[in-house]
Amino acid sequence: DAGVIQSPRHEVTEMGQEVTLRCKPISGHDYLFWYRQTMMRGLELLIYFNNNVPIDDSGMPEDRFSAKMPNASFSTLKIQPSEPRDSAVYFCASSLRGRETQYFGPGTRLLVL
Amino acid sequence: KQEVTQIPAALSVPEGENLVLNCSFTDSAIYNLQWFRQDPGKGLTSLLLIQSSQREQTSGRLNASLDKSSGRSTLYIAASQPGDSATYLCAVISAAGNKLTFGGGTRVLVKP
Repeated sequence: DAGVIQSPRHEVTEMGQEVTLRCKPISGHDYLFWYRQTMMRGLELLIYFNNNVPIDDSGMPEDRFSAKMPNASFSTLKIQPSEPRDSAVYFCASSLRGRETQYFGPGTRLLVL
Repeated sequence: KQEVTQIPAALSVPEGENLVLNCSFTDSAIYNLQWFRQDPGKGLTSLLLIQSSQREQTSGRLNASLDKSSGRSTLYIAASQPGDSATYLCAVISAAGNKLTFGGGTRVLVKP
Protein backbone atom coordinates (compact mmCIF):
# COMPACT_ATOMS: atom_id res chain seq x y z
CA ASP A 1 0.00 0.00 0.00
CA ALA A 2 1.19 3.53 -0.76
CA GLY A 3 0.28 4.81 2.67
CA VAL A 4 -1.77 7.91 3.38
CA ILE A 5 -1.60 10.32 0.46
CA GLN A 6 -2.02 14.07 0.85
CA SER A 7 -2.12 16.82 -1.73
CA PRO A 8 -0.87 19.36 -2.31
CA ARG A 9 2.38 19.02 -0.38
CA HIS A 10 2.87 22.78 -0.30
CA GLU A 11 0.36 25.58 -0.70
CA VAL A 12 0.98 29.31 -0.72
CA THR A 13 -2.05 31.54 -0.94
CA GLU A 14 -3.19 35.03 -0.12
CA MET A 15 -5.42 35.98 2.74
CA GLY A 16 -9.08 35.63 1.86
CA GLN A 17 -8.61 32.85 -0.68
CA GLU A 18 -10.18 29.42 -0.38
CA VAL A 19 -7.85 26.54 0.37
CA THR A 20 -8.68 22.86 -0.14
CA LEU A 21 -6.50 20.11 1.24
CA ARG A 22 -6.96 16.53 0.14
CA CYS A 23 -6.37 13.15 1.71
CA LYS A 24 -6.57 9.55 0.59
CA PRO A 25 -6.47 7.15 3.55
CA ILE A 26 -5.04 3.64 3.53
CA SER A 27 -7.48 1.28 1.89
CA GLY A 28 -9.62 -0.57 4.41
CA HIS A 29 -9.06 1.88 7.24
CA ASP A 30 -12.30 2.94 8.88
CA TYR A 31 -11.00 6.03 10.68
CA LEU A 32 -9.63 9.24 9.24
CA PHE A 33 -8.15 12.09 11.26
CA TRP A 34 -7.16 15.66 10.37
CA TYR A 35 -4.46 17.36 12.47
CA ARG A 36 -2.77 20.74 12.44
CA GLN A 37 0.80 21.28 13.62
CA THR A 38 2.28 24.64 14.60
CA MET A 39 5.30 25.63 16.62
CA MET A 40 3.14 27.35 19.20
CA ARG A 41 0.42 24.74 19.72
CA GLY A 42 2.05 21.50 18.59
CA LEU A 43 -0.15 18.80 17.06
CA GLU A 44 -3.88 19.33 17.44
CA LEU A 45 -6.72 17.11 16.29
CA LEU A 46 -9.19 19.05 14.18
CA ILE A 47 -11.78 16.43 13.27
CA TYR A 48 -12.12 12.69 12.76
CA PHE A 49 -14.39 10.44 10.77
CA ASN A 50 -15.57 6.87 11.24
CA ASN A 51 -16.89 5.13 8.14
CA ASN A 52 -17.12 8.51 6.37
CA VAL A 53 -19.22 10.07 9.16
CA PRO A 54 -17.79 13.00 11.17
CA ILE A 55 -17.64 11.93 14.80
CA ASP A 56 -15.90 14.76 16.61
CA ASP A 57 -15.23 18.20 15.13
CA SER A 58 -14.63 19.97 18.43
CA GLY A 59 -11.09 20.80 17.36
CA MET A 60 -12.13 22.76 14.29
CA PRO A 61 -11.06 26.30 15.16
CA GLU A 62 -13.98 28.17 13.63
CA ASP A 63 -16.63 28.17 10.94
CA ARG A 64 -14.08 29.01 8.28
CA PHE A 65 -12.95 25.39 8.50
CA SER A 66 -14.97 22.53 7.09
CA ALA A 67 -14.20 18.89 6.34
CA LYS A 68 -15.94 16.26 4.27
CA MET A 69 -15.50 12.61 3.51
CA PRO A 70 -17.73 11.76 0.54
CA ASN A 71 -16.44 8.19 0.32
CA ALA A 72 -14.05 5.79 2.03
CA SER A 73 -11.08 6.78 -0.08
CA PHE A 74 -11.21 10.57 -0.06
CA SER A 75 -11.48 13.46 2.36
CA THR A 76 -11.09 17.22 2.09
CA LEU A 77 -10.34 19.97 4.56
CA LYS A 78 -11.40 23.39 3.36
CA ILE A 79 -10.56 26.82 4.73
CA GLN A 80 -12.66 29.69 3.46
CA PRO A 81 -11.61 32.46 3.75
CA SER A 82 -8.02 31.74 4.74
CA GLU A 83 -6.10 33.94 7.19
CA PRO A 84 -2.35 34.23 7.96
CA ARG A 85 -2.87 32.52 11.33
CA ASP A 86 -3.99 29.39 9.47
CA SER A 87 -0.41 28.90 8.30
CA ALA A 88 0.65 25.48 9.58
CA VAL A 89 1.31 21.91 8.51
CA TYR A 90 -1.89 19.92 8.12
CA PHE A 91 -1.69 16.16 8.52
CA CYS A 92 -4.15 13.46 7.62
CA ALA A 93 -3.96 10.09 9.35
CA SER A 94 -5.93 6.87 9.15
CA SER A 95 -6.33 3.79 11.31
CA LEU A 96 -7.95 0.44 10.98
CA ARG A 97 -9.81 0.95 14.22
CA GLY A 98 -10.19 4.17 16.18
CA ARG A 99 -7.86 3.35 19.04
CA GLU A 100 -5.13 1.57 17.15
CA THR A 101 -1.99 2.75 15.42
CA GLN A 102 -2.52 5.82 13.29
CA TYR A 103 -0.67 6.14 9.99
CA PHE A 104 0.18 9.68 9.00
CA GLY A 105 0.49 11.24 5.59
CA PRO A 106 3.43 13.51 4.69
CA GLY A 107 1.43 16.64 5.44
CA THR A 108 0.50 19.80 3.55
CA ARG A 109 2.56 22.86 4.42
CA LEU A 110 0.23 25.86 4.14
CA LEU A 111 1.39 29.45 4.06
CA VAL A 112 -1.21 32.20 3.98
CA LEU A 113 0.23 35.60 3.10
CA LYS B 1 -8.70 17.59 30.12
CA GLN B 2 -5.75 15.33 29.30
CA GLU B 3 -2.38 17.06 29.08
CA VAL B 4 0.78 15.39 27.83
CA THR B 5 4.23 16.77 28.62
CA GLN B 6 7.61 15.81 27.27
CA ILE B 7 10.77 17.00 29.00
CA PRO B 8 13.33 17.92 27.85
CA ALA B 9 12.28 19.66 24.66
CA ALA B 10 15.67 18.95 23.13
CA LEU B 11 18.48 16.51 23.77
CA SER B 12 21.96 16.03 22.31
CA VAL B 13 24.05 12.90 22.87
CA PRO B 14 27.18 11.36 21.37
CA GLU B 15 26.76 8.34 19.14
CA GLY B 16 26.59 5.07 21.06
CA GLU B 17 25.04 6.52 24.16
CA ASN B 18 21.62 5.25 25.29
CA LEU B 19 18.71 7.67 24.90
CA VAL B 20 16.04 8.13 27.55
CA LEU B 21 12.97 10.12 26.58
CA ASN B 22 10.26 11.00 29.06
CA CYS B 23 6.53 11.49 28.70
CA SER B 24 4.00 12.34 31.39
CA PHE B 25 0.21 12.61 31.24
CA THR B 26 -2.26 14.04 33.71
CA ASP B 27 -5.21 11.63 33.41
CA SER B 28 -4.31 8.00 34.07
CA ALA B 29 -7.55 6.74 32.49
CA ILE B 30 -5.93 5.94 29.16
CA TYR B 31 -6.62 3.24 26.58
CA ASN B 32 -3.12 3.19 25.13
CA LEU B 33 0.01 5.28 24.68
CA GLN B 34 1.87 5.64 21.39
CA TRP B 35 5.37 6.83 20.54
CA PHE B 36 6.02 8.44 17.17
CA ARG B 37 9.06 9.68 15.32
CA GLN B 38 9.00 12.78 13.10
CA ASP B 39 11.79 13.70 10.73
CA PRO B 40 12.11 17.32 9.57
CA GLY B 41 9.50 18.17 6.96
CA LYS B 42 7.95 14.72 7.16
CA GLY B 43 4.92 13.06 8.69
CA LEU B 44 4.85 10.97 11.84
CA THR B 45 5.91 7.35 11.94
CA SER B 46 4.54 5.08 14.63
CA LEU B 47 7.25 3.41 16.71
CA LEU B 48 5.52 1.61 19.55
CA LEU B 49 2.03 1.27 20.96
CA ILE B 50 1.52 0.21 24.58
CA GLN B 51 -1.90 -0.87 25.74
CA SER B 52 -2.99 0.36 29.17
CA SER B 53 -2.74 -3.19 30.52
CA GLN B 54 0.91 -3.54 29.43
CA ARG B 55 4.03 -2.42 31.27
CA GLU B 56 6.38 -2.30 28.32
CA GLN B 57 6.79 -2.88 24.61
CA THR B 58 9.95 -3.60 22.64
CA SER B 59 10.99 -3.29 19.02
CA GLY B 60 14.65 -3.76 18.14
CA ARG B 61 16.72 -1.13 19.94
CA LEU B 62 13.55 0.58 21.20
CA ASN B 63 11.87 -0.15 24.50
CA ALA B 64 8.94 1.77 25.92
CA SER B 65 7.67 1.43 29.46
CA LEU B 66 4.36 2.55 30.88
CA ASP B 67 3.45 3.35 34.48
CA LYS B 68 -0.19 4.26 34.17
CA SER B 69 -0.77 4.97 37.85
CA SER B 70 1.94 7.60 37.95
CA GLY B 71 1.12 8.93 34.49
CA ARG B 72 4.52 8.26 32.95
CA SER B 73 6.09 6.56 29.98
CA THR B 74 9.73 6.30 29.01
CA LEU B 75 11.19 5.50 25.62
CA TYR B 76 14.67 3.95 25.67
CA ILE B 77 16.78 3.83 22.54
CA ALA B 78 19.87 1.66 22.97
CA ALA B 79 23.21 2.45 21.37
CA SER B 80 22.06 5.60 19.59
CA GLN B 81 23.07 6.29 16.00
CA PRO B 82 23.10 9.54 13.98
CA GLY B 83 20.10 8.15 12.08
CA ASP B 84 18.11 8.31 15.32
CA SER B 85 18.20 12.11 15.14
CA ALA B 86 14.58 13.24 14.91
CA THR B 87 11.73 14.54 17.04
CA TYR B 88 10.01 11.94 19.20
CA LEU B 89 6.41 12.47 20.25
CA CYS B 90 4.26 10.56 22.66
CA ALA B 91 0.49 10.55 22.55
CA VAL B 92 -2.29 9.00 24.60
CA ILE B 93 -5.81 7.88 23.83
CA SER B 94 -8.21 8.26 26.72
CA ALA B 95 -10.23 5.33 27.92
CA ALA B 96 -13.41 7.12 26.88
CA GLY B 97 -12.60 8.15 23.33
CA ASN B 98 -10.66 7.77 20.11
CA LYS B 99 -8.68 10.99 20.15
CA LEU B 100 -4.91 11.13 20.42
CA THR B 101 -3.51 13.87 22.66
CA PHE B 102 0.10 14.66 21.81
CA GLY B 103 3.00 15.92 23.85
CA GLY B 104 5.18 18.70 22.50
CA GLY B 105 7.94 16.31 21.49
CA THR B 106 11.63 15.92 22.28
CA ARG B 107 14.06 16.89 19.54
CA VAL B 108 17.02 14.50 19.57
CA LEU B 109 20.42 15.04 18.00
CA VAL B 110 22.90 12.17 17.97
CA LYS B 111 26.39 13.44 17.20
CA PRO B 112 28.78 11.18 15.25
